Amino acid sequence: GAGVSQSPSNKVTEKGKDVELRCDPISGHTALYWYRQSLGQGLEFLIYFQGNSAPDKSGLPSDRFSAERTGGSVSTLTIQRTQQEDSAVYLCASSPEINEQYFGPGTRLTVT
Amino acid sequence: GDSVTQMEGPVTLSEEAFLTINCTYTATGYPSLFWYVQYPGEGLQLLLKATKADDKGSNKGFEATYRKETTSFHLEKGSVQVSDSAVYFCALSDRTGFQKLVFGTGTRLLVSP
Repeated sequence: GAGVSQSPSNKVTEKGKDVELRCDPISGHTALYWYRQSLGQGLEFLIYFQGNSAPDKSGLPSDRFSAERTGGSVSTLTIQRTQQEDSAVYLCASSPEINEQYFGPGTRLTVT
Repeated sequence: GDSVTQMEGPVTLSEEAFLTINCTYTATGYPSLFWYVQYPGEGLQLLLKATKADDKGSNKGFEATYRKETTSFHLEKGSVQVSDSAVYFCALSDRTGFQKLVFGTGTRLLVSP
C-alpha cells in the first residue's frame, strides 16, 4: 500500500522567505510526527499530532516554525523568514498505534 | 531528559563478517527501543524493536536484546552483506508520553565484497 509521502522532495529558498512542507500520512493513521535531520543536530523531534490537535510542540525550535493538520490527514509545516540554520531534511512519520512509526522520504530544505 | 548514545562510525567490514553496533540509553521510565536503518538515498525504515526488558527484536538476520540492567540495545548480525551498507539509528520512545522518538547520532556501516 501507499506509504507516507512528502512534498516537495527538494526545496531551495532564499534567506528570509517563507516555505511550506507537506506530509501525506498513511491512510487511517491518527498520529503524525515531524522530525528534522541536520548535520549538526542529528535527528530531532519537532511536533506531534493526534488527529488535528498538537499536544506536543516542544521540539519546534522557534516561533518561526508552525504546523497544522487538517481532516486528521495532511499536515503542513511552515517556516517563516527562513534562516540558513533551517537547512536540513524534514521528515514526517505517521503511526497507527503504539510503537510503530512509518517515515516518509523527507524534504531536503536548503536556505541560501 | 532521555538520550541515546551509539558508537561512532564508520564501521567498515568485509562481507560475511560479524557486526555489532553498540547502543546505550538514558531514560526516566521504561522506554521502547528501536533500530532504524537508512539506506543510501532512501528514508528511515524500522528494522526491529523491543518493548520490554529481555525482549529480543529480530529482522533480516539482525538482532538486538533489551538489557535493562545495562541500559543497552546493541545491534548484531552474524554475517553482513554488501547490501547492509547503510546508516543505522538507535532510538527510544517513552511509552508514558506521546511516544516521540529520541535518536542516537547514527552509525554508518560500510561492507566491502
